[in-house]
Amino acid sequence: GQNIDQPTEMTATEGAIVQINCTYQTSGFNGLFWYQQHAGEAPTFLSYNVLDGLEEKGRFSSFLSRSKGYSYLLLKELQMKDSASYLCAVPLNTGNQFYFGTGTSLTVIP
Amino acid sequence: DVKVTQSSRYLVKRTGEKVFLECVQDMDHENMFWYRQDPGLGLRLIYFSYDVKMKEKGDIPEGYSVSREKKERFSLILESASTNQTSMYLCASSGGTSGYEQYFGPGTRLTVT
Repeated sequence: GQNIDQPTEMTATEGAIVQINCTYQTSGFNGLFWYQQHAGEAPTFLSYNVLDGLEEKGRFSSFLSRSKGYSYLLLKELQMKDSASYLCAVPLNTGNQFYFGTGTSLTVIP
Repeated sequence: DVKVTQSSRYLVKRTGEKVFLECVQDMDHENMFWYRQDPGLGLRLIYFSYDVKMKEKGDIPEGYSVSREKKERFSLILESASTNQTSMYLCASSGGTSGYEQYFGPGTRLTVT
Protein backbone atom coordinates (compact mmCIF):
# COMPACT_ATOMS: atom_id res chain seq x y z
CA GLY A 1 0.00 0.00 0.00
CA GLN A 2 0.88 3.66 -0.05
CA ASN A 3 1.67 5.98 2.80
CA ILE A 4 2.98 9.54 2.93
CA ASP A 5 3.94 11.42 6.07
CA GLN A 6 4.42 15.16 6.33
CA PRO A 7 4.35 17.49 9.31
CA THR A 8 0.94 19.07 9.72
CA GLU A 9 2.04 22.62 10.45
CA MET A 10 5.21 24.71 10.40
CA THR A 11 5.95 28.33 11.19
CA ALA A 12 8.96 30.29 9.94
CA THR A 13 10.14 33.88 9.84
CA GLU A 14 10.23 36.09 6.78
CA GLY A 15 13.67 35.96 5.15
CA ALA A 16 14.58 32.64 6.75
CA ILE A 17 15.00 29.14 5.30
CA VAL A 18 12.53 26.34 5.97
CA GLN A 19 12.71 22.63 5.15
CA ILE A 20 9.51 20.62 4.75
CA ASN A 21 10.04 16.87 4.96
CA CYS A 22 8.11 14.06 3.35
CA THR A 23 8.57 10.33 3.88
CA TYR A 24 6.80 7.87 1.67
CA GLN A 25 6.17 4.17 1.21
CA THR A 26 4.98 3.01 -2.17
CA SER A 27 4.82 -0.18 -4.15
CA GLY A 28 6.87 0.90 -7.14
CA PHE A 29 8.21 4.38 -7.67
CA ASN A 30 7.50 6.86 -10.45
CA GLY A 31 8.93 9.98 -8.90
CA LEU A 32 7.72 12.47 -6.31
CA PHE A 33 5.88 15.75 -6.76
CA TRP A 34 5.58 18.85 -4.62
CA TYR A 35 2.58 21.14 -5.00
CA GLN A 36 1.81 24.48 -3.39
CA GLN A 37 -1.74 25.35 -2.44
CA HIS A 38 -2.83 28.74 -1.16
CA ALA A 39 -5.97 28.84 0.94
CA GLY A 40 -9.09 28.49 -1.19
CA GLU A 41 -7.11 27.91 -4.38
CA ALA A 42 -6.07 24.94 -6.50
CA PRO A 43 -2.72 23.18 -6.00
CA THR A 44 -0.01 24.35 -8.36
CA PHE A 45 3.06 22.39 -9.43
CA LEU A 46 6.38 23.16 -7.75
CA SER A 47 8.74 20.30 -8.53
CA TYR A 48 9.15 16.73 -9.70
CA ASN A 49 12.05 14.49 -8.62
CA VAL A 50 12.63 11.07 -10.09
CA LEU A 51 16.37 10.71 -9.47
CA ASP A 52 18.27 11.08 -6.20
CA GLY A 53 19.69 14.46 -5.36
CA LEU A 54 18.81 18.10 -5.14
CA GLU A 55 16.96 20.06 -7.81
CA GLU A 56 17.11 23.81 -7.49
CA LYS A 57 14.61 26.20 -8.96
CA GLY A 58 15.05 29.75 -7.77
CA ARG A 59 14.17 30.10 -4.09
CA PHE A 60 12.74 26.58 -4.01
CA SER A 61 14.72 23.33 -4.06
CA SER A 62 13.60 19.75 -3.74
CA PHE A 63 15.62 16.76 -2.63
CA LEU A 64 15.00 13.05 -3.08
CA SER A 65 16.54 9.92 -1.59
CA ARG A 66 14.86 6.84 -3.07
CA SER A 67 16.72 4.42 -0.82
CA LYS A 68 15.41 6.21 2.28
CA GLY A 69 11.94 6.95 0.92
CA TYR A 70 12.51 10.58 1.78
CA SER A 71 12.15 13.97 0.17
CA TYR A 72 12.25 17.55 1.32
CA LEU A 73 11.26 20.91 -0.04
CA LEU A 74 13.60 23.76 0.84
CA LEU A 75 12.32 27.31 0.70
CA LYS A 76 14.88 30.10 0.97
CA GLU A 77 14.46 33.83 1.61
CA LEU A 78 10.95 33.25 2.80
CA GLN A 79 8.30 35.76 1.81
CA MET A 80 4.87 36.31 3.30
CA LYS A 81 3.30 35.01 0.10
CA ASP A 82 4.93 31.62 0.76
CA SER A 83 2.34 31.02 3.48
CA ALA A 84 0.46 28.09 1.98
CA SER A 85 -0.03 24.36 2.19
CA TYR A 86 2.68 22.19 0.62
CA LEU A 87 1.59 18.81 -0.68
CA CYS A 88 3.85 15.85 -1.31
CA ALA A 89 2.48 13.38 -3.89
CA VAL A 90 3.61 10.18 -5.58
CA PRO A 91 2.23 8.67 -8.79
CA LEU A 92 1.05 5.12 -8.27
CA ASN A 93 2.21 2.20 -10.35
CA THR A 94 -0.17 2.92 -13.17
CA GLY A 95 1.19 6.45 -13.37
CA ASN A 96 -2.32 7.79 -13.76
CA GLN A 97 -3.22 8.14 -10.12
CA PHE A 98 -1.50 10.21 -7.45
CA TYR A 99 -1.37 9.50 -3.77
CA PHE A 100 -1.23 12.76 -1.83
CA GLY A 101 0.04 13.46 1.63
CA THR A 102 -2.25 15.52 3.87
CA GLY A 103 -0.05 18.55 3.33
CA THR A 104 2.05 20.84 5.51
CA SER A 105 0.55 24.21 6.35
CA LEU A 106 3.36 26.78 6.42
CA THR A 107 2.85 30.12 8.10
CA VAL A 108 5.43 32.84 7.45
CA ILE A 109 5.55 35.50 10.16
CA PRO A 110 7.19 38.94 9.98
CA ASP B 1 -1.38 28.41 -21.18
CA VAL B 2 -2.80 25.19 -19.81
CA LYS B 3 -6.25 25.41 -18.39
CA VAL B 4 -8.66 23.34 -16.33
CA THR B 5 -11.99 24.99 -15.60
CA GLN B 6 -14.82 24.00 -13.30
CA SER B 7 -18.41 25.05 -13.74
CA SER B 8 -18.86 26.75 -10.37
CA ARG B 9 -16.62 28.15 -7.64
CA TYR B 10 -19.34 28.02 -5.00
CA LEU B 11 -22.49 25.91 -4.89
CA VAL B 12 -25.19 25.47 -2.27
CA LYS B 13 -27.58 22.54 -2.59
CA ARG B 14 -30.20 20.89 -0.43
CA THR B 15 -30.06 17.38 0.93
CA GLY B 16 -31.43 14.90 -1.60
CA GLU B 17 -30.81 17.07 -4.65
CA LYS B 18 -28.93 15.73 -7.67
CA VAL B 19 -25.77 17.74 -8.20
CA PHE B 20 -23.62 18.01 -11.32
CA LEU B 21 -20.06 19.32 -11.20
CA GLU B 22 -18.46 19.91 -14.57
CA CYS B 23 -14.78 20.03 -15.47
CA VAL B 24 -13.25 20.97 -18.81
CA GLN B 25 -9.59 20.86 -19.85
CA ASP B 26 -8.07 22.26 -23.01
CA MET B 27 -4.80 20.32 -23.02
CA ASP B 28 -5.99 17.19 -24.85
CA HIS B 29 -5.11 15.15 -21.74
CA GLU B 30 -6.16 11.51 -21.59
CA ASN B 31 -6.49 11.38 -17.80
CA MET B 32 -8.94 13.29 -15.67
CA PHE B 33 -9.56 13.11 -11.94
CA TRP B 34 -12.05 14.19 -9.30
CA TYR B 35 -10.86 14.77 -5.75
CA ARG B 36 -12.43 16.08 -2.62
CA GLN B 37 -10.41 17.97 -0.06
CA ASP B 38 -11.31 18.19 3.60
CA PRO B 39 -9.33 19.69 6.50
CA GLY B 40 -6.95 17.17 8.00
CA LEU B 41 -7.70 14.57 5.34
CA GLY B 42 -5.92 16.05 2.35
CA LEU B 43 -6.84 15.27 -1.22
CA ARG B 44 -8.80 12.07 -1.70
CA LEU B 45 -9.49 10.57 -5.10
CA ILE B 46 -13.15 9.94 -5.90
CA TYR B 47 -12.99 8.74 -9.51
CA PHE B 48 -10.67 9.04 -12.44
CA SER B 49 -10.88 8.44 -16.16
CA TYR B 50 -8.07 7.49 -18.52
CA ASP B 51 -10.08 7.67 -21.74
CA VAL B 52 -13.45 8.66 -23.10
CA LYS B 53 -16.24 6.57 -21.56
CA MET B 54 -13.72 4.86 -19.26
CA LYS B 55 -13.81 5.35 -15.51
CA GLU B 56 -12.17 3.87 -12.44
CA LYS B 57 -13.11 4.15 -8.79
CA GLY B 58 -10.76 5.96 -6.52
CA ASP B 59 -10.56 5.74 -2.75
CA ILE B 60 -14.00 7.16 -1.90
CA PRO B 61 -16.47 6.57 -4.75
CA GLU B 62 -19.53 5.91 -2.60
CA GLY B 63 -22.34 8.37 -3.26
CA TYR B 64 -20.76 9.63 -6.49
CA SER B 65 -20.79 8.76 -10.16
CA VAL B 66 -18.96 10.21 -13.16
CA SER B 67 -19.41 10.69 -16.86
CA ARG B 68 -16.87 11.22 -19.62
CA GLU B 69 -18.56 11.47 -22.99
CA LYS B 70 -15.91 13.74 -24.52
CA LYS B 71 -12.18 13.81 -23.97
CA GLU B 72 -12.14 17.35 -22.64
CA ARG B 73 -15.04 17.03 -20.20
CA PHE B 74 -15.38 15.03 -16.98
CA SER B 75 -18.49 15.34 -14.86
CA LEU B 76 -18.99 14.39 -11.22
CA ILE B 77 -22.53 13.55 -10.16
CA LEU B 78 -23.91 13.40 -6.65
CA GLU B 79 -27.07 11.33 -7.11
CA SER B 80 -28.62 12.42 -3.83
CA ALA B 81 -26.58 15.03 -2.02
CA SER B 82 -25.98 14.58 1.69
CA THR B 83 -24.50 16.92 4.28
CA ASN B 84 -21.34 14.80 4.57
CA GLN B 85 -20.62 15.65 0.95
CA THR B 86 -20.05 19.27 1.87
CA SER B 87 -16.47 19.77 0.72
CA MET B 88 -14.06 21.35 -1.75
CA TYR B 89 -14.10 19.43 -5.04
CA LEU B 90 -11.06 19.62 -7.28
CA CYS B 91 -10.75 18.41 -10.84
CA ALA B 92 -7.38 17.63 -12.41
CA SER B 93 -6.01 16.34 -15.70
CA SER B 94 -2.75 14.82 -16.89
CA GLY B 95 -1.25 13.13 -19.91
CA GLY B 96 0.30 13.79 -23.26
CA THR B 97 3.56 15.71 -23.13
CA SER B 98 2.82 16.72 -19.54
CA GLY B 99 3.67 13.24 -18.30
CA TYR B 100 2.56 12.48 -14.75
CA GLU B 101 2.05 16.11 -13.71
CA GLN B 102 -1.53 16.87 -12.77
CA TYR B 103 -3.07 20.26 -13.54
CA PHE B 104 -5.84 21.37 -11.25
CA GLY B 105 -8.96 23.40 -11.73
CA PRO B 106 -9.85 26.22 -9.30
CA GLY B 107 -12.13 23.99 -7.23
CA THR B 108 -15.82 24.04 -6.35
CA ARG B 109 -16.83 24.69 -2.75
CA LEU B 110 -20.03 22.68 -2.32
CA THR B 111 -22.26 23.17 0.69
CA VAL B 112 -25.14 20.76 1.23
CA THR B 113 -27.75 21.98 3.69
